[in-house]
Amino acid sequence: DADVTQTPRNRITKTGKRIMLECSQTKGHDRMYWYRQDPGLGLRLIYYSFDVKDINKGEISDGYSVSRQAQAKFSLSLESAIPNQTALYFCATSERRTVGYEQFFGPGTRLTVL
Amino acid sequence: TQLLEQSPQFLSIQEGENLTVYCNSSSVFSSLQWYRQEPGEGPVLLVTVVTGGEVKKLKRLTFQFGDARKDSSLHITAAQPGDTGLYLCAGAGRYGGSQGNLIFGKGTKLSVKP
Repeated sequence: DADVTQTPRNRITKTGKRIMLECSQTKGHDRMYWYRQDPGLGLRLIYYSFDVKDINKGEISDGYSVSRQAQAKFSLSLESAIPNQTALYFCATSERRTVGYEQFFGPGTRLTVL
Repeated sequence: TQLLEQSPQFLSIQEGENLTVYCNSSSVFSSLQWYRQEPGEGPVLLVTVVTGGEVKKLKRLTFQFGDARKDSSLHITAAQPGDTGLYLCAGAGRYGGSQGNLIFGKGTKLSVKP
């Protein structure tokens, strides 16, 4: 079984709709992240959480919100989706005690906003 | 702002050729990682380098961290079609960046033709 899972894997929605992307992990890591990936722009950090009570904005948080329901679950919401939020979204986890801050990624959610 | 620049952006080679991908910055990083991403999947960690001048080998892949910890290279010997993918470098700031967050390069898209 995958250590980091994301649901759904693909989603097509319309402008103005509320969307939630979910991430679960069985790695026991305390840190979780949400990124979006766009061609030519690389991976950009949306939000990150170092534990259940510690949530922080990343580079591009406008238009997004998150919820850390438990150590193992971190969800990303688009309150009112717009077409330029069409992208590949990745959840990642890491462990605080590692020297190199390695991150482990889920398989991604491909979101299309029409 | 810490930035990581990768070059080349695209690389298309024949099976059996050697190649080198570069990751450069004007900032010092406490560690640097290389990931490979295949279409439709999340990035997968290949290696972490921590010490300036460090060289790590993973079968036909050789990773080097610059002496000043500002740059890194990935060399692939005798490339195979299975090496095809997007190669991403990521650095953790000297003092952990934003408490251990990673800064990603935009990636090198490698295509190895049989």
